[in-house]
Amino acid sequence: EAQVTQNPRYLITVTGKKLTVTCSQNMNHEYMSWYRQDPGLGLRQIYYSMNVEVTDKGDVPEGYKVSRKEKRNFPLILESPSPNQTSLYFCASLRLRSYNEQFFGPGTRLTVL
Amino acid sequence: TQLLEQSPQFLSIQEGENLTVYCNSSSVFSSLQWYRQEPGEGPVLLVTVVTGGEVKKLKRLTFQFGDARKDSSLHITAAQPGDTGLYLCAPISGSARQLTFGSGTQLTVLP
Repeated sequence: EAQVTQNPRYLITVTGKKLTVTCSQNMNHEYMSWYRQDPGLGLRQIYYSMNVEVTDKGDVPEGYKVSRKEKRNFPLILESPSPNQTSLYFCASLRLRSYNEQFFGPGTRLTVL
Repeated sequence: TQLLEQSPQFLSIQEGENLTVYCNSSSVFSSLQWYRQEPGEGPVLLVTVVTGGEVKKLKRLTFQFGDARKDSSLHITAAQPGDTGLYLCAPISGSARQLTFGSGTQLTVLP
């Protein structure tokens, strides 16, 4: 089954404790992306990657890091989480050609105390 | 990043009513996608519109892309409780790879 998986689905942590949210896709998509979703603000892109070892900043990259060492994986790293990073995070992937569909993971709800 | 506005932000209607939601921008897009997101899940693609003036129908949902390719609308006929969700538009601009979404319209259809 074609899918994007994220782990963990729920995470409560404390300020400053480094964390990683994993994302994996099995569709051999070149493009992967991370979004955060906050009430009234829709989905905002954090980082995206057009292929292995190629990453770029989205609209809200501050406080986040990503890496793309393999095509299928695109982890999101919060080196020193802060309460303003409490949010719902989505990973997505798509094949790089016109008008293609983004496939989204199930989301990770992160709370930073 | 282009300025993208969706309206209304919230909409609550009774089952059987018709409704229209809008996605507007001052920028021209190559194409535009509409997604629906249900609680606890990621967005799922409904449609992609490509040509200015294009109209696409998906059962009771009608999507229109503006002639100038700066705006789009989604019309739902005889809404049902299963249509409840967050409707998001996502424009695609030429070769740009940074993808954006509107803030969404939260639709609630009451039985």
